Amino acid sequence: GAVVSQHPSRVICKSGTSVKIECRSLDFQATTMFWYRQFPKQSLMLMATSNEGSKATYEQGVEKDKFLINHASLTLSTLTVTSAHPEDSSFYICSARDRRMGGNQPQHFGDGTRLSIL
Amino acid sequence: DAKTTQPTSMDCAEGRAANLPCNHSTISGNEYVYWYRQIHSQGPQYIIHGLKNNETNEMASLIITEDRKSSTLILPHATLRDTAVYYCIVSEFNNDMRFGAGTRLTVKP
Repeated sequence: GAVVSQHPSRVICKSGTSVKIECRSLDFQATTMFWYRQFPKQSLMLMATSNEGSKATYEQGVEKDKFLINHASLTLSTLTVTSAHPEDSSFYICSARDRRMGGNQPQHFGDGTRLSIL
Repeated sequence: DAKTTQPTSMDCAEGRAANLPCNHSTISGNEYVYWYRQIHSQGPQYIIHGLKNNETNEMASLIITEDRKSSTLILPHATLRDTAVYYCIVSEFNNDMRFGAGTRLTVKP
């Protein structure tokens, strides 16, 4: 089945550091990828929709200058958390949909990246 | 805002069928019903989806009412590894997926 890979799975860094998270579709091409954030004991919250070759679409309340998204190819999207602070500590998850399939096909999710800012 | 309503939690005995309900009374004609589950500290896992007809795969069955205002996910023989948070999501063609609070299913020995 379709596989989405995220890297790194866990990162711990100092406040003020910028952190890049990669999301790859391993056996399919994805025109669109999605980025979510999940705080402890809460559900997933959609942050942004990443479109290959164009600018990402951010949800209300998500700072686009804080969370930089790049979707340079059909198999890779990156999320960079710039100047991260402790409040940015969270579980970040990406998902992608196979562009070859019909629009009703499900999204496939990565295993998430746990970001801890000290 | 999530378009679905699910019970906060449910218990199920190991080996028994787990029936997880979901209300989506405002579902539109173009929206599909998707089910995912999330085991602690992992990304959501796709289970099944449907539009009008009941669906079955190797993991589960999805029963959608005729008026499409509710559905039930059935895990026919629950195991301890099925303990997870189960999310019911309605989403239109090519649209993003927005998660509600889900149902925390605990399978007990």
